[in-house]
Amino acid sequence: EAGVAQSPRYKIIEKRQSVAFWCNPISGHATLYWYQQILGQGPKLLIQFQNNGVVDDSQLPKDRFSAERLKGVDSTLKIQPAKLEDSAVYLCASSRNTGELFFGEGSRLTVL
Amino acid sequence: GEDVEQSLFLSVREGDSSVINCTYTDSSSTYLYWYKQEPGAGLQLLTYIFSNMDMKQDQRLTVLLNKKDKHLSLRIADTQTGDSAIYFCAEKADYKLSFGAGTTVTVRA
Repeated sequence: EAGVAQSPRYKIIEKRQSVAFWCNPISGHATLYWYQQILGQGPKLLIQFQNNGVVDDSQLPKDRFSAERLKGVDSTLKIQPAKLEDSAVYLCASSRNTGELFFGEGSRLTVL
Repeated sequence: GEDVEQSLFLSVREGDSSVINCTYTDSSSTYLYWYKQEPGAGLQLLTYIFSNMDMKQDQRLTVLLNKKDKHLSLRIADTQTGDSAIYFCAEKADYKLSFGAGTTVTVRA
């Protein structure tokens, strides 16, 4: 079974630029999560989708972050404009409904 | 997250047992988890325990849960160099998974 795929693995941008991350969850997993992991901290949930609907986006900074999962499969997370404090690893995870989470390898963002 | 706290570092000699501790705050937690993260990799689920259990053993791993004190621990028997990683405690409440900051385990020869 293929795991959660994410791209790009690494991205370096300057502040005020925009960036987008892509996630392809495990086939058949209805629930998709985006987490932000700042160096030295645990992952923090940004947004949770159930199929193509948003379950929880209470910790998503909506003035600059957006995420979509249009067909209930792949998802993109966008940051526009980026700030220095957005430097982190962005982890995508998926699960069958709300069972065990399977994580991708993450996309490491550096904002200069 | 501030709801789940862990000690930040643990150094252990190869072959000894490692014990990683975690405290959480949400008494409505249904499941508690231990994840392992190796450098440059995503999180891998190691084990979990349902909130009405007080112990779970899985090969070299033993999870102890004290629900009264909201304390969770992970014991790794016969620690090996491949066990060097960051270990995250997480609690699930209201379908949301909250993570601690992680404990960096270093195994020395």
